Amino acid sequence: AQTVTQSQPEMSVQEAETVTLSCTYDTSESDYYLFWYKQPPSRQMILVIRQEAYKQQNATENRFSVNFQKAAKSFSLKISDSQLGDAAMYFCAYRKFQDMRFGAGTRLTVKP
Amino acid sequence: DGGITQSPKYLFRKEGQNVTLSCEQNLNHDAMYWYRQDPGQGLRLIYYSQIVNDFQKGDIAEGYSVSREKKESFPLTVTSAQKNPTAFYLCASSTRGLAPYTDTQYFGPGTRLTVL
Repeated sequence: AQTVTQSQPEMSVQEAETVTLSCTYDTSESDYYLFWYKQPPSRQMILVIRQEAYKQQNATENRFSVNFQKAAKSFSLKISDSQLGDAAMYFCAYRKFQDMRFGAGTRLTVKP
Repeated sequence: DGGITQSPKYLFRKEGQNVTLSCEQNLNHDAMYWYRQDPGQGLRLIYYSQIVNDFQKGDIAEGYSVSREKKESFPLTVTSAQKNPTAFYLCASSTRGLAPYTDTQYFGPGTRLTVL
């Protein structure tokens, strides 16, 4: 079974600084999707960014970007110019067809 | 506005009772999913449905049941057979997608179930 590992239970960043959240996954597939979701205190899961495995170019969405290393099975999220509203749990997820796997999450704190 | 609604937001159940969690979407998505979230853990898949009148078990289906009579609705029943049902439950939906590429899942606001 595919597994997703987030090795950082908690991270902290100063407002306006940059932070990188780590994610590794295990799969024997070559085509799949990877996602980062944000879960603020409201507990609503919000899509941050997604990456198609067949694309070599790293996905970016405004202040959010990923470093996708397919051979290393690594998918880190970089948040630039961190804002107080970025404070949340962040979940990395893998998907192939209907098989969707989530990591245990990283709690990000943003200090003013 | 298009989206996914879940009700109720909070639900309390006595031991031995069955309860049903509602999930409705107006995104015209074919696929719907139920996840369970426990503290310190990621989401775990309970059931999913790719089309009306069809659904499959996920990783932790024991003690749960679902139905999919309408495209818009995918209710989850937590039965008395579920030994530890206290958790946060999230419903999601997505387009069905073509293999091997499947589309993004969008989530509802969740239901917090507590067993008294």
